[in-house]
Order: sequence, then structure tokens, then C-alpha cells
Amino acid sequence: EVQLLESGGGLVQPGGSLRLSCAASGFTFSSYAMSWVRQAPGKGLEWVSAISSSGGSTYYADSVKGRFTMSRDNSKNTLYLQMNSLRAEDTAVYYCAKPRISSWYSFYFDYWGQGTLVTVSS
Amino acid sequence: EIVMTQSPATLSVSPGERATLSCRASQSVSSNLAWYQQKPGQAPRLLIYGASTRVTGIPARFSGSGSGTEFTLTISSLQSEDFAVYCCQQYNDWPPWTFGQGTKVEIK
Repeated sequence: EVQLLESGGGLVQPGGSLRLSCAASGFTFSSYAMSWVRQAPGKGLEWVSAISSSGGSTYYADSVKGRFTMSRDNSKNTLYLQMNSLRAEDTAVYYCAKPRISSWYSFYFDYWGQGTLVTVSS
Repeated sequence: EIVMTQSPATLSVSPGERATLSCRASQSVSSNLAWYQQKPGQAPRLLIYGASTRVTGIPARFSGSGSGTEFTLTISSLQSEDFAVYCCQQYNDWPPWTFGQGTKVEIK
């Protein structure tokens, strides 16, 4: 059974940093590109970042480019999102998501974690 | 960036009735469109990909259609468990991969 378990969320002041983790199991993690998707309170889904199966390629939404860094450790089956210079508008539930097919051209998600809440507030 | 626009924002439907949800892309996404269902406090659930292919285990009352810029999700006879938010996502042109803002299907 595929499982994605996020952790690391919490309350942080504007300008602060946080690192999210996503522990994956039930599939060959190293074979899949992965993604982070967020959802602000009462809002729709927003794609945040994606990383190739090897970690050699990453993509970011313009809203987080230069502030967030996505990485992975295939030996630990774990995904990371380092978030720096956090802003109030980064407040959201952050989901890690697995694509059904590991291809940028078919990048939609068949498994999602339960999400971890990040609140940016003073 | 392709903008996905869903309508209506809220759809009030009685159980047993048909619900028709619309998703429009700002430019063609071919058939590279997925639909998700999300219930309060839960992660999204993939329903349909390729605009019209149901995920294994998704009931046949859910159907998707369309291509290019206009897409429809139809729920033929709403069950109590279908009241939720539905959103579309394009994966034709990236990055970014973009989502619609969602349609809430509520009990009339």
C-alpha cells in the first residue's frame, strides 16, 4: 500500500524557515518524480515544486522560486522541502504527491499524503 | 501559464440528480486533464485522467469528457458521499502544472 507521510509543519514567523519531510513507502520511490502541492485555507490547490526521480531536475512555481528548495534522499525514501524567507501567503496545508506515471508529460497525482499545516504569522 | 477556470463555484444538487461541472483552460491542453475529489480535511482523490479515463475503483456514475479547452465532469446520480469539492488539473503545458479553483457540490 502506497503511503506518504508529511511532517515538519508548524507556526513560523515571517522571514523564518521550515523544512518539510515526506516519508514514502509501498512503491519504488527512486523510480518516481515527486511533487509538493499546497492549499491555503479555504482556497484551491496550488502546485509548488517537483523533482525528478534522481533529484537531478527540479521545478518551482514562480511564487516560491528562489525561496524554496526541493530535494530527496532515495536511500531513505524521503522527500524534502526547505522553505526560507517565509511569507504570510505561504500559509497552507502542504501535500506531497506521487504521480500515477513518472513522466513530466503525465504529471497528475494518484496518491497524496495527509498534509502538514504551515502557518506563517507573527 | 495555463489558467484553469471552473464553473460554477458552487452547485446545489439533490441526491439522485445529475451534476455537471465545467473546467475551462486558457489555451488548449489536448486531453491532458485530470479531475480530483476533495472532502473536508482530506487529501484530494484522483477520479479521472486523460479527460475521460476513470481511475480503477471510481464508480461509473463519474464520467469526464472534453478536449482542447472545454471539459466536463458529470456525476450521473449524486450519492451522499459525492458531496465534495471537485477540481481539475492540466498537465499538458508545464511548468507550472495548474489546478482550477474548484467547484463545491452541496446538498440542495
